[in-house]
Amino acid sequence: RKEVEQDPGPFNVPEGATVAFNCTYSNSASQSFFWYRQDCRKEPKLLMSVYSSGNEDGRFTAQLNRASQYISLLIRDSKLSDSATYLCVVIKAAGNKLTFGGGTRVLVKP
Amino acid sequence: NAGVMQNPRHLVRRRGQEARLRCSPMKGHSHVYWYRQLPEEGLKFMVYLQKENIIDESGMPKERFSAEFPKEGPSILRIQQVVRGDSAAYFCASSRYRETGANVLTFGAGSRLTVL
Repeated sequence: RKEVEQDPGPFNVPEGATVAFNCTYSNSASQSFFWYRQDCRKEPKLLMSVYSSGNEDGRFTAQLNRASQYISLLIRDSKLSDSATYLCVVIKAAGNKLTFGGGTRVLVKP
Repeated sequence: NAGVMQNPRHLVRRRGQEARLRCSPMKGHSHVYWYRQLPEEGLKFMVYLQKENIIDESGMPKERFSAEFPKEGPSILRIQQVVRGDSAAYFCASSRYRETGANVLTFGAGSRLTVL
């Protein structure tokens, strides 16, 4: 079983719609969680951290469910520019290396 | 602030040749990480280095791959006798301190290796 798993998609989303997807992690000792965005053939860029209480940044909402060991990302009012691959990142312990999921591809269409 | 600089951006090699990928961290950053991304996959950790030291190489293949980060100059990821399966994007990231969270890691634009 992979340490961090994501539905590869693609999620085809009409412009203006809401899309949500999850990421599951296998190590219950995981401490830190993040969502990265990666555009085609570009480097990954940090989108947002995921806190235990959940957090929101504009149209983006991230949630953490420790009991079921998954994190989620919800995008409201999707824009064409939201089309990208969203990478889930988990850190097992402070100072440890990042473990990436395989990414979920989102395509927003007019 | 030039960010993390990687070169070459694109590299083509024939099977059996050597590939050298270079990474210059951000100014003031002394920690460098290399990740590999195969087509349609996520990034996989390869190695973590500080100046003149390899701290964690648990993700490095046992053969043909090596990395260094000398006192002067960029970090280098070296792949000897490349095979087609080495074709991938290799990303370098740097941080000022030992990695404590993704928000202190800055990625370079990547080097894309194609093995013919």
